[in-house]
Amino acid sequence: QVQLQQWGAGLLKPSETLSLTCAVYGGSFSGYYWSWIRQPPGKGLEWIGQIYHSGSTNYNPSLKSRVTISVDTSKNQLSLKLSSVTAADTAVYYCASHCSSTSCYYGFPIWGQGTMVTVSS
Amino acid sequence: QSALTQPASVSGSPGQSITISCSGTSSDVGGSNSVSWYQHHPGKAPKLMIYDVSNRPSGVSNRFSGSKSGNTASLTISGLQAEDEADYYCTSYTSSNFYVFGTGTEVTVL
Repeated sequence: QVQLQQWGAGLLKPSETLSLTCAVYGGSFSGYYWSWIRQPPGKGLEWIGQIYHSGSTNYNPSLKSRVTISVDTSKNQLSLKLSSVTAADTAVYYCASHCSSTSCYYGFPIWGQGTMVTVSS
Repeated sequence: QSALTQPASVSGSPGQSITISCSGTSSDVGGSNSVSWYQHHPGKAPKLMIYDVSNRPSGVSNRFSGSKSGNTASLTISGLQAEDEADYYCTSYTSSNFYVFGTGTEVTVL
């Protein structure tokens, strides 16, 4: 079964760059694709962007200018960078796989545990 | 791109059926069969309940079902149970190659 474990800095100052990493365990990295999703406190889920194992990406238009998602196939990891953060970027951030051990979906069957990131001066 | 529209809250008594709507446009919900639904308990990661409009992943109760008509998708929970109390979100892939989530619905079991 595919499992995702994520980590990264939990407290940032305005204008800094958010950086999170998500490790993929128990599944094939090749052929898979992943997304990053966030949930601000008291608000709904927001899709940030998606990356294929080849490195091809799609981003939420509202965040595109500040987001970079990348993969390191040698480590079976993906990462998220969000630049010039503000308090509005305070949220729980999740990595998610579009693929389980058996199938890939237009959706997110596997999620990381979530990382709370707070932006405060 | 605006979020898909869901009712803020839906409630029902144990054993009853409830339906949550998810309204979008022809560029998202109405334009493909890529609608999925998630159950989200506070403090936990969301759980995929329905994919491709009406398919259940292995292990998800058959009390959960999905459908779509035009630009509106729906999630129905039948035989409502206390454990179904959670937030529910729809999402759809769009014609512009990104995902949009619904506004979320809080389900309360009375």
